Amino acid sequence: KNEVEQSPQNLTAQEGEFITINCSYSVGISALHWLQQHPGGGIVSLFMLSSGKKKHGRLIATINIQEKHSSLHITASHPRDSAVYICAVKGGVEGGSNYKLTFGKGTLLTVNP
Amino acid sequence: DTAVSQTPKYLVTQMGNDKSIKCEQNLGHDTMYWYKQDSKKFLKIMFSYNNKELIINETVPNRFSPKSPDKAHLNLHINSLELGDSAVYFCASSAGAAYNEQFFGPGTRLTVL
Repeated sequence: KNEVEQSPQNLTAQEGEFITINCSYSVGISALHWLQQHPGGGIVSLFMLSSGKKKHGRLIATINIQEKHSSLHITASHPRDSAVYICAVKGGVEGGSNYKLTFGKGTLLTVNP
Repeated sequence: DTAVSQTPKYLVTQMGNDKSIKCEQNLGHDTMYWYKQDSKKFLKIMFSYNNKELIINETVPNRFSPKSPDKAHLNLHINSLELGDSAVYFCASSAGAAYNEQFFGPGTRLTVL
């Protein structure tokens, strides 16, 4: 079992819909990252958060440390949001170090026009 | 003015060969990383250097050897390439090792024939 679980694995939405991607982790962490990877493309860091909520444009990330859970929301989704969204946690992994990111398997989001 | 650059972008080679991938960052960051993304798009840390010192060395075959000549560069040398080494390799950097956002390079797609 991966220490970082994302759901859903695949998500198809219509343009304009509100999107939620979930991430649960099983260990204590120092920070959680949300990353975006377009098909065949590089990886972009969207958010790094250790508590509360962050917002950037149409993207919102929340984290609940007690419940070991984070969500990434996309409002008014657009076809250009189609990408793989990856959750990664840093620190607190058994046998690891505070410097290491442990990744979820990603959520493939497809937004149709 | 690319922040994290990798060369080459694509690398096709025969089994048994030795190859290197280079990474450079111009962000003034202290910490650099190598990640491997397998065919299922799962990312995993391989190595990390902080101020030219190795701080993360995951369970990676010793055919893989990272080298950091200075803080701005982290190269990855692979000896005796095997079919299973085929993957996309991402370099990344961050301002510090513990609590900082990571910036990723564009990736190097390695294909071993």
